[in-house]
Amino acid sequence: NAGVTQTPKFQVLKTGQSMTLQCAQDMNHEYMSWYRQDPGMGLRLIHYSVGAGITDQGEVPNGYNVSRSTTEDFPLRLLSAAPSQTSVYFCASTTNLYNTGANVLTFGAGSRLTVL
Amino acid sequence: KQEVTQIPAALSVPEGENLVLNCSFTDSAIYNLQWFRQDPGKGLTSLLLIQSSQREQTSGRLNASLDKSSGRSTLYIAASQPGDSATYLCAVQADRGSTLGRLYFGRGTQLTVWP
Repeated sequence: NAGVTQTPKFQVLKTGQSMTLQCAQDMNHEYMSWYRQDPGMGLRLIHYSVGAGITDQGEVPNGYNVSRSTTEDFPLRLLSAAPSQTSVYFCASTTNLYNTGANVLTFGAGSRLTVL
Repeated sequence: KQEVTQIPAALSVPEGENLVLNCSFTDSAIYNLQWFRQDPGKGLTSLLLIQSSQREQTSGRLNASLDKSSGRSTLYIAASQPGDSATYLCAVQADRGSTLGRLYFGRGTQLTVWP
């Protein structure tokens, strides 16, 4: 099925461990982004990419790295996990931010991360 | 910085009622406003998108309005059903400056419709 696929769905880490959240889309979308959702905080943008080879920071980028080597994939790396990074992470994509009628974001199902 | 506020935070109503969910934003320089639905443990699904030049959008029992100058949007749900139970989020897309294109989300309204 076409859409945004995130893996893993659940992950428990110890403080200081590193891991990568995977995000893949098969819709040939240019724009991809990562959000975190915390209780009472809404969704906050971590990093985003407007195309292969181009990434930029969002509101809360500290502690996270991204890369965009292909159009399809946009992995999010936690270099040294901290309890403050316990959250639900969502990846989203769209064809073009300013393509009228087609800039609705498609979200993945989310990855729930717990850092002990 | 753009701030998006949604009122109420939670709403519980009997089936059949007409509902109004509110969203306000502090910076009127927006490209569009979107309403999303989120079911527990799931991702977000886009319901309606209103371009900054538009006043409203309709989809089935849903109607969303936008008053850009006053920084407000409402989502109207007619004849609510138990299947409408979910969290509804509002998001605005920035129109200028260093935040060009960025989406800012409200914290959502958690809706429960009971039979």
